Amino acid sequence: DSGVTQTPKHLITATGQRVTLRCSPRSGDLSVYWYQQSLDQGLQFLIQYYNGEERAKGNILERFSAQQFPDLHSELNLSSLELGDSALYFCASSPGTSGGLQETQYFGPGTRLLVL
Amino acid sequence: GQQLNQSPQSMFIQEGEDVSMNCTSSSIFNTWLWYKQDPGEGPVLLIALYKAGELTSNGRLTAQFGITRKDSFLNISASIPSDVGIYFCAGRQAAGNKLTFGGGTRVLVKP
Repeated sequence: DSGVTQTPKHLITATGQRVTLRCSPRSGDLSVYWYQQSLDQGLQFLIQYYNGEERAKGNILERFSAQQFPDLHSELNLSSLELGDSALYFCASSPGTSGGLQETQYFGPGTRLLVL
Repeated sequence: GQQLNQSPQSMFIQEGEDVSMNCTSSSIFNTWLWYKQDPGEGPVLLIALYKAGELTSNGRLTAQFGITRKDSFLNISASIPSDVGIYFCAGRQAAGNKLTFGGGTRVLVKP
């Protein structure tokens, strides 16, 4: 158990819909990262937050957005969903004591999203 | 975007065998990481490498940071059934903490 929790574990929805994925980092961790893993592929970095502020952006679509709240939990919002958005979405956290640089990332169990 | 080419894509192991996998890139990375992912779980960090040429072990696992900083390999010695899973390499560049992942090596048990 990494200490990172993600809800829901599974999500089934229809094209065009909007969903919110939630992540609670390890206790005390300030940095949160979101990754997308499509079928049988590696993880693609989407976005990083550090202490409530966006720190780095990867291959995140404009239809997707994220935020980190004062209690440090984070939400990833996916809108106008398409079939190709079906994937595993992982959240990771790191202590952030060095501004999130060069730190081990601990991954949550993921949310499996299926868009029908 | 940046790509990490990981090979082989899959391999079959027999208990007791040594296995190797590697990761190459056209870009330089300052850190190389190896993760294992079991079904239904998130990736778990196995080994982290921070210096070119560094050779690091974690039990039966040994990984090396290539001297050019563009590659890394992972060896598993005397494999056991619980070594089955997907192994990912990941690289981190100088700025920030963003990880670039390889496509994974799926390790399966020989029937």
